[in-house]
Amino acid sequence: AQSVTQLDSQVPVFEEAPVELRCNYSSSVSVYLFWYVQYPNQGLQLLLKYLSGSTLVESINGFEAEFNKSQTSFHLRKPSVHISDTAEYFCAVTQRQGGKLIFGQGTELSVKP
Amino acid sequence: SQTIHQWPATLVQPVGSPLSLECTVEGTSNPNLYWYRQAAGRGLQLLFYSVGIGQISSEVPQNLSASRPQDRQFILSSKKLLLSDSGFYLCAWRSPIMAHFGPGTRLTVT
Repeated sequence: AQSVTQLDSQVPVFEEAPVELRCNYSSSVSVYLFWYVQYPNQGLQLLLKYLSGSTLVESINGFEAEFNKSQTSFHLRKPSVHISDTAEYFCAVTQRQGGKLIFGQGTELSVKP
Repeated sequence: SQTIHQWPATLVQPVGSPLSLECTVEGTSNPNLYWYRQAAGRGLQLLFYSVGIGQISSEVPQNLSASRPQDRQFILSSKKLLLSDSGFYLCAWRSPIMAHFGPGTRLTVT
């Protein structure tokens, strides 16, 4: 069975500071990995995904995540955050051959001026 | 393009009352459909998923049920709500790798 662990439930940072949201997964087979973002009182939106190829994937708003197979991690980073990045971020995993999409517990990113 | 609808957007129901939340998908056929619940501080919990009409898999024992009467319609129901059923309910479909989420229903059980 798969599982996802997001190590930090809340991450407060100041505007323009760097941030890293940690995600570790457990699976006995190859997986696809995702980061979703949820703004207050809204549904989830896909932020970025790792399917294959380059282990470093980027989003259009400056976030990036690196797939590390040996450490079974998929940490999300941004070198300089904005107030508008305040949201909850979910890491998710699914098996390549299909199956359920399993989410972590979420990390609440709070960016302060 | 594909879109996913959920209604109602918000709902306040007394304990013991019934529940019906509806989700419909447009622009795709035979989607895999999911119901998730997001309770405060508890992340996203998979409740039900469906790979076709009348095919429902339950992930967590509870007083909720799901049905799929049509290809692109997924309904979450309860005969008697509990206080612990309060939360944000999200419907999603798979395309086939990624999940696409609806806007959600905020349910408060009083």
